Amino acid sequence: EAQVTQNPRYLITVTGKKLTVTCSQNMNHEYMSWYRQDPGLGLRQIYYSMNVEVTDKGDVPEGYKVSRKEKRNFPLILESPSPNQTSLYFCASSRQGIYEQYFGPGTRLTVT
Amino acid sequence: GQQVMQIPQYQHVQEGEDFTTYCNSSTTLSNIQWYKQRPGGHPVFLIQLVKSGEVKKQKRLTFQFGEAKKNSSLHITATQTTDVGTYFCAGLKFPNAGGTSYGKLTFGQGTILTVHP
Repeated sequence: EAQVTQNPRYLITVTGKKLTVTCSQNMNHEYMSWYRQDPGLGLRQIYYSMNVEVTDKGDVPEGYKVSRKEKRNFPLILESPSPNQTSLYFCASSRQGIYEQYFGPGTRLTVT
Repeated sequence: GQQVMQIPQYQHVQEGEDFTTYCNSSTTLSNIQWYKQRPGGHPVFLIQLVKSGEVKKQKRLTFQFGEAKKNSSLHITATQTTDVGTYFCAGLKFPNAGGTSYGKLTFGQGTILTVHP
């Protein structure tokens, strides 16, 4: 089954404790991205990757890091989480030039 | 930067009533996409519009792309309780002429639809 998976689905952590949210897709998509969803703000892009070892900032990259060492994986790293990063995070992938986004199930992160 | 505004933010309707959400971009778009997110779920792709003035239908859903390719709408006829959720538009724009670079997809804020039985 074609899908995008994210782990963990729920995470409660404390300020400053480094964490990683994993994202994996099995569709051989070149393009992957991370979004955060906040009430009234819609989906805002954090980082995106056009292919292995090619990443770039989206609209709200501050406080986040990503890497793309393999085509299927695109982890999101919060080196020192802060309460304003409490949000619902989605990973998405798409084929090069197609742009239809396939979203993962989401990760709800709470930073206290 | 590119902005995509979507209204209304919320819409409450009685089952059987029609519903429309509107999407406006500050710049001309290459195409526009629409997604639906059920409560507790993730966004799911509905459709993509590419041509100026394009109209597409999916059963009770009608999607339009404006002549200037800066606005779009989604209209649902005779809503049902299964239509509840958040509807997002997403505008695609290529940063360079000719579209050789990867496009930037910008989402609207979404419209949360509630349907009362």
